Amino acid sequence: DAGVTQSPTHLIKTRGQQVTLRCSPKSGHDTVSWYQQALGQGPQFIFQYYEEEERQRGNFPDRFSGHQFPNYSSELNVNALLLGDSALYLCASSHPTTVSTDTQYFGPGTRLTVL
Amino acid sequence: SQQGEEDPQALSIQEGENATMNCSYKTSINNLQWYRQNSGRGLVHLILIRSNEREKHSGRLRVTLDTSKKSSSLLITASRAADTASYFCATEPPYNNNDMRFGAGTRLTVKP
Repeated sequence: DAGVTQSPTHLIKTRGQQVTLRCSPKSGHDTVSWYQQALGQGPQFIFQYYEEEERQRGNFPDRFSGHQFPNYSSELNVNALLLGDSALYLCASSHPTTVSTDTQYFGPGTRLTVL
Repeated sequence: SQQGEEDPQALSIQEGENATMNCSYKTSINNLQWYRQNSGRGLVHLILIRSNEREKHSGRLRVTLDTSKKSSSLLITASRAADTASYFCATEPPYNNNDMRFGAGTRLTVKP
């Protein structure tokens, strides 16, 4: 049973470029959340996708956008990259109950460096 | 924005000793979860404790939750060198079960 997978592992871009990160959720999970983790900090919630729609969004600008496909996999797109976008981007999948979010399982992350 | 604050920021102990990390948060929660992260890799879920629970155990881990003080603690007993990692608490607010708030973490070093 594969866990959460992310690609690519590492990525180097220059300022102003655009980037797309990919995530495949754990088998049986239908909800994908994206987090940004700057060096030495905890993860910060970017947004969550469920049933191919953005269900909740954190405090991130519109340069950050996403998509969820019918097979529940997801993409995170960042436009007009800034140096401050350099971080580890984590994807987490879950299967929410009607009461609360179940345990989130995290992928290994994509390390994005913006030069 | 981050909700939880872990204390201490860094902790160094000898193998076999117990390690205690604390987490404080500001608003009401639905549940609180502890995660471990090795060297900037993905987070590994350790334990979830719901707002109506006070204590949970999982192997060498013991988590307590005091909602009146808005705080939680993670105890790792009989620590091992392999426990060296960063530990994060994450809270889920009751009004929004999609947005987990993480603290900045405690960096634990277990010396062999």
